[in-house]
Amino acid sequence: KNEVEQSPQNLTAQEGEFITINCSYSVGISALHWLQQHPGGGIVSLFMLSSGKKKHGRLIATINIQEKHSSLHITASHPRDSAVYICAAYSGAGSYQLTFGKGTKLSVIP
Amino acid sequence: GAVVSQHPSRVICKSGTSVKIECRSLDFQATTMFWYRQFPKKSLMLMATSNEGSKATYEQGVEKDKFLINHASLTLSTLTVTSAHPEDSSFYICSGGTDFNTEAFFGQGTRLTVV
Repeated sequence: KNEVEQSPQNLTAQEGEFITINCSYSVGISALHWLQQHPGGGIVSLFMLSSGKKKHGRLIATINIQEKHSSLHITASHPRDSAVYICAAYSGAGSYQLTFGKGTKLSVIP
Repeated sequence: GAVVSQHPSRVICKSGTSVKIECRSLDFQATTMFWYRQFPKKSLMLMATSNEGSKATYEQGVEKDKFLINHASLTLSTLTVTSAHPEDSSFYICSGGTDFNTEAFFGQGTRLTVV
Protein backbone atom coordinates (compact mmCIF):
# COMPACT_ATOMS: atom_id res chain seq x y z
CA LYS A 1 0.00 0.00 0.00
CA ASN A 2 1.35 3.39 -0.95
CA GLU A 3 1.71 5.96 1.78
CA VAL A 4 1.54 9.54 0.61
CA GLU A 5 2.84 12.14 3.06
CA GLN A 6 2.58 15.88 2.67
CA SER A 7 4.27 18.68 4.53
CA PRO A 8 3.53 21.06 5.98
CA GLN A 9 -0.07 20.36 7.01
CA ASN A 10 -0.77 24.06 7.44
CA LEU A 11 1.01 27.01 5.95
CA THR A 12 0.44 30.72 6.39
CA ALA A 13 2.27 33.11 4.11
CA GLN A 14 2.36 36.82 3.40
CA GLU A 15 1.24 37.92 -0.03
CA GLY A 16 4.16 37.80 -2.44
CA GLU A 17 6.07 35.05 -0.66
CA PHE A 18 7.47 32.00 -2.44
CA ILE A 19 5.74 28.85 -1.22
CA THR A 20 6.82 25.23 -1.30
CA ILE A 21 4.68 22.22 -0.47
CA ASN A 22 6.30 18.81 -0.32
CA CYS A 23 4.99 15.33 -1.03
CA SER A 24 6.70 12.00 -0.53
CA TYR A 25 5.44 8.53 -1.24
CA SER A 26 6.57 5.09 -0.20
CA VAL A 27 6.01 2.98 -3.30
CA GLY A 28 7.18 3.63 -6.85
CA ILE A 29 4.49 5.24 -8.96
CA SER A 30 3.75 5.96 -12.60
CA ALA A 31 2.64 9.55 -12.08
CA LEU A 32 1.47 12.04 -9.50
CA HIS A 33 -1.28 14.63 -9.37
CA TRP A 34 -1.26 17.99 -7.65
CA LEU A 35 -4.81 19.08 -6.86
CA GLN A 36 -6.30 22.26 -5.46
CA GLN A 37 -9.38 22.11 -3.26
CA HIS A 38 -11.22 25.33 -2.43
CA PRO A 39 -13.32 25.86 0.71
CA GLY A 40 -16.50 24.84 -1.12
CA GLY A 41 -14.91 21.45 -1.74
CA GLY A 42 -14.50 21.44 -5.50
CA ILE A 43 -11.25 19.95 -6.77
CA VAL A 44 -9.18 21.28 -9.63
CA SER A 45 -6.34 19.33 -11.14
CA LEU A 46 -3.23 21.53 -11.32
CA PHE A 47 -0.67 19.13 -12.69
CA MET A 48 -0.12 15.52 -13.55
CA LEU A 49 3.54 14.67 -13.87
CA SER A 50 5.68 11.60 -14.15
CA SER A 51 9.12 13.16 -14.43
CA GLY A 52 10.98 16.44 -14.30
CA LYS A 53 9.17 19.71 -13.98
CA LYS A 54 6.03 21.45 -15.16
CA LYS A 55 5.12 25.12 -14.99
CA HIS A 56 1.79 26.85 -15.34
CA GLY A 57 1.68 30.53 -14.58
CA ARG A 58 2.95 31.04 -11.04
CA LEU A 59 2.79 27.35 -10.23
CA ILE A 60 5.70 24.96 -10.65
CA ALA A 61 5.67 21.24 -9.90
CA THR A 62 8.70 18.98 -9.77
CA ILE A 63 9.09 15.29 -9.23
CA ASN A 64 12.08 13.06 -8.47
CA ILE A 65 11.06 9.49 -9.17
CA GLN A 66 14.22 7.98 -7.64
CA GLU A 67 13.76 9.87 -4.39
CA LYS A 68 9.98 9.37 -4.40
CA HIS A 69 9.41 13.06 -3.82
CA SER A 70 7.51 15.87 -5.45
CA SER A 71 7.19 19.57 -4.69
CA LEU A 72 4.68 22.23 -5.60
CA HIS A 73 5.94 25.80 -5.68
CA ILE A 74 3.91 28.99 -5.87
CA THR A 75 5.76 32.15 -6.81
CA ALA A 76 4.50 35.61 -5.81
CA SER A 77 1.69 34.12 -3.72
CA HIS A 78 -1.67 35.85 -3.64
CA PRO A 79 -4.67 35.58 -1.27
CA ARG A 80 -6.64 33.83 -4.01
CA ASP A 81 -4.10 30.99 -3.78
CA SER A 82 -5.54 30.17 -0.35
CA ALA A 83 -6.82 26.61 -0.61
CA VAL A 84 -5.95 23.06 0.31
CA TYR A 85 -3.32 21.51 -1.94
CA ILE A 86 -3.35 17.75 -2.29
CA CYS A 87 -0.88 15.41 -3.89
CA ALA A 88 -2.16 12.10 -5.15
CA ALA A 89 -0.15 9.22 -6.51
CA TYR A 90 -1.18 6.87 -9.27
CA SER A 91 -0.81 3.30 -8.15
CA GLY A 92 0.74 1.82 -11.25
CA ALA A 93 1.11 1.67 -14.99
CA GLY A 94 -2.20 1.96 -16.78
CA SER A 95 -4.09 2.65 -13.57
CA TYR A 96 -5.68 5.95 -12.60
CA GLN A 97 -6.61 4.86 -9.12
CA LEU A 98 -5.17 7.45 -6.76
CA THR A 99 -3.81 7.44 -3.22
CA PHE A 100 -4.21 10.87 -1.66
CA GLY A 101 -2.13 12.82 0.80
CA LYS A 102 -3.96 14.59 3.62
CA GLY A 103 -3.47 17.96 2.04
CA THR A 104 -1.73 21.20 2.93
CA LYS A 105 -3.93 24.08 3.94
CA LEU A 106 -2.45 27.31 2.59
CA SER A 107 -3.54 30.72 3.79
CA VAL A 108 -2.05 33.75 2.06
CA ILE A 109 -2.49 36.97 4.01
CA PRO A 110 -2.65 40.32 2.21
CA GLY B 1 -9.35 19.57 -20.60
CA ALA B 2 -11.96 16.91 -20.05
CA VAL B 3 -14.89 17.73 -17.78
CA VAL B 4 -16.82 15.65 -15.29
CA SER B 5 -20.08 17.29 -14.22
CA GLN B 6 -21.31 16.23 -10.78
CA HIS B 7 -24.78 17.04 -9.38
CA PRO B 8 -26.03 18.10 -6.99
CA SER B 9 -23.29 20.18 -5.42
CA ARG B 10 -25.11 20.30 -2.09
CA VAL B 11 -27.98 18.28 -0.71
CA ILE B 12 -29.69 18.09 2.64
CA CYS B 13 -31.92 15.12 3.31
CA LYS B 14 -33.77 13.54 6.20
CA SER B 15 -32.60 10.36 7.89
CA GLY B 16 -33.97 7.30 6.20
CA THR B 17 -34.32 8.80 2.76
CA SER B 18 -32.18 8.06 -0.30
CA VAL B 19 -30.05 10.49 -2.25
CA LYS B 20 -28.73 10.07 -5.77
CA ILE B 21 -25.54 11.75 -6.95
CA GLU B 22 -24.75 11.89 -10.67
CA CYS B 23 -21.47 12.20 -12.48
CA ARG B 24 -21.44 12.82 -16.20
CA SER B 25 -18.38 12.91 -18.40
CA LEU B 26 -19.14 15.70 -20.85
CA ASP B 27 -16.51 15.34 -23.53
CA PHE B 28 -14.99 11.93 -23.05
CA GLN B 29 -16.10 8.40 -22.40
CA ALA B 30 -15.40 7.40 -18.83
CA THR B 31 -14.82 3.67 -18.91
CA THR B 32 -13.95 3.78 -15.24
CA MET B 33 -15.37 6.00 -12.50
CA PHE B 34 -14.00 6.25 -9.00
CA TRP B 35 -16.14 7.39 -6.09
CA TYR B 36 -14.45 9.00 -3.11
CA ARG B 37 -15.61 10.25 0.25
CA GLN B 38 -13.97 12.91 2.35
CA PHE B 39 -14.69 13.50 6.02
CA PRO B 40 -13.77 16.86 7.59
CA LYS B 41 -10.03 17.41 7.84
CA LYS B 42 -9.35 13.98 6.33
CA SER B 43 -7.98 12.93 2.99
CA LEU B 44 -10.10 11.57 0.17
CA MET B 45 -10.81 7.87 0.58
CA LEU B 46 -11.74 5.58 -2.27
CA MET B 47 -15.17 4.02 -1.79
CA ALA B 48 -15.63 2.07 -4.99
CA THR B 49 -14.53 1.64 -8.57
CA SER B 50 -17.09 1.20 -11.30
CA ASN B 51 -16.57 0.08 -14.85
CA GLU B 52 -19.18 0.71 -17.50
CA GLY B 53 -21.54 -2.20 -17.83
CA SER B 54 -20.30 -4.21 -14.87
CA LYS B 55 -20.71 -4.30 -11.12
CA ALA B 56 -18.77 -1.90 -8.98
CA THR B 57 -15.86 -3.01 -6.84
CA TYR B 58 -16.16 -1.73 -3.30
CA GLU B 59 -13.34 -1.00 -0.90
CA GLN B 60 -13.18 -2.82 2.39
CA GLY B 61 -15.63 -1.41 4.90
CA VAL B 62 -17.92 0.20 2.33
CA GLU B 63 -21.42 -1.29 2.34
CA LYS B 64 -22.43 -2.07 -1.23
CA ASP B 65 -26.12 -2.30 -0.31
CA LYS B 66 -26.00 1.16 1.20
CA PHE B 67 -23.96 2.89 -1.47
CA LEU B 68 -25.43 1.77 -4.77
CA ILE B 69 -23.31 2.54 -7.79
CA ASN B 70 -24.56 2.34 -11.34
CA HIS B 71 -22.40 2.90 -14.40
CA ALA B 72 -24.85 2.09 -17.14
CA SER B 73 -23.24 4.17 -19.85
CA LEU B 74 -19.84 5.55 -20.80
CA THR B 75 -20.93 9.05 -19.82
CA LEU B 76 -22.95 8.54 -16.65
CA SER B 77 -22.25 7.03 -13.26
CA THR B 78 -24.49 7.40 -10.23
CA LEU B 79 -24.03 6.89 -6.51
CA THR B 80 -27.18 6.40 -4.43
CA VAL B 81 -26.92 6.66 -0.68
CA THR B 82 -29.79 4.56 0.60
CA SER B 83 -31.49 4.97 3.98
CA ALA B 84 -29.17 7.82 4.79
CA HIS B 85 -28.00 8.39 8.36
CA PRO B 86 -26.35 11.47 9.84
CA GLU B 87 -23.00 9.64 9.84
CA ASP B 88 -23.24 9.48 6.03
CA SER B 89 -22.89 13.25 5.98
CA SER B 90 -19.73 13.85 4.02
CA PHE B 91 -18.25 15.21 0.82
CA TYR B 92 -18.57 12.80 -2.09
CA ILE B 93 -16.58 13.21 -5.28
CA CYS B 94 -16.16 11.21 -8.44
CA SER B 95 -13.34 10.98 -10.91
CA GLY B 96 -13.40 9.41 -14.32
CA GLY B 97 -10.84 8.03 -16.69
CA THR B 98 -10.62 6.43 -20.09
CA ASP B 99 -8.74 3.62 -21.62
CA PHE B 100 -6.65 6.06 -23.59
CA ASN B 101 -5.38 8.35 -20.93
CA THR B 102 -4.17 7.67 -17.41
CA GLU B 103 -5.25 11.07 -16.17
CA ALA B 104 -8.35 11.14 -13.97
CA PHE B 105 -10.80 14.03 -14.20
CA PHE B 106 -12.73 15.14 -11.13
CA GLY B 107 -16.30 16.16 -10.57
CA GLN B 108 -17.04 19.22 -8.48
CA GLY B 109 -18.12 17.16 -5.48
CA THR B 110 -21.36 16.84 -3.52
CA ARG B 111 -21.73 18.00 0.08
CA LEU B 112 -24.31 15.69 1.68
CA THR B 113 -25.88 16.60 4.99
CA VAL B 114 -28.26 14.14 6.60
CA VAL B 115 -30.47 15.59 9.32
